[in-house]
Amino acid sequence: EILLTQSPATLSLSPGERATLSCKASQSVSNYLAWYQQRPGQAPRLLIFDTSIRPTGIPARFSGSGSGTDFTLTISSLEPEDFAVYYCQQRINWPLTFGGGTNVEIK
Amino acid sequence: EVQLLESGGGLVQPGGSLRLSCTSSGFTFSNNAVGWVRQAPGKGLEWVSGFSGTSNNTYYAESVKGRFTISRDNAKDTLYLQMSSLRADDTAKYYCARSHGHCGATSCFAHWGQGTLVTVSS
Repeated sequence: EILLTQSPATLSLSPGERATLSCKASQSVSNYLAWYQQRPGQAPRLLIFDTSIRPTGIPARFSGSGSGTDFTLTISSLEPEDFAVYYCQQRINWPLTFGGGTNVEIK
Repeated sequence: EVQLLESGGGLVQPGGSLRLSCTSSGFTFSNNAVGWVRQAPGKGLEWVSGFSGTSNNTYYAESVKGRFTISRDNAKDTLYLQMSSLRADDTAKYYCARSHGHCGATSCFAHWGQGTLVTVSS
């Protein structure tokens, strides 16, 4: 089973600031890494898949990068609705696994 | 528009069984990578089980292997999760989810239901 470690656990920022979230895999996942956003009381939303591809409707301020074992989600300028929990997920191997999450909170 | 709706959650005693259902609109479960993801209260996401998008193969997390069974009824456009030998640590909201079409045999979940809560307690 591939372990995904997200850091930091909590990120305290102000609206308009840049957010940088990290996800590290215990072994290579190639580029098969996705990112999700989950707001309180809501189901998760897919933001990025295969490291850097945004599904239709996801704003361009969300971007992903990395390869192998080290990945980054960047939110270029935080909007009020971006304060939420973010998870990474690998799909190179079964069982699929998620990271523990990063809570982006308002400073 | 793809929509998913889970049902079947509730309170069950330890050792008991429960079957969750997920109905779909806007797509069929056959030939799609679909699965179940759960979230314990106040905790993160945990993938539970899924169908490959390119075969009828099924897969399970180690924590549920041998206790849970995923199945689908293509005629009814319904996905199921049969859960048995339930334990307190199975308490969670269970989401049904469908993969983005680009993610092939495995899954990156582009469509989610709102979840159904399962509570295992005496």
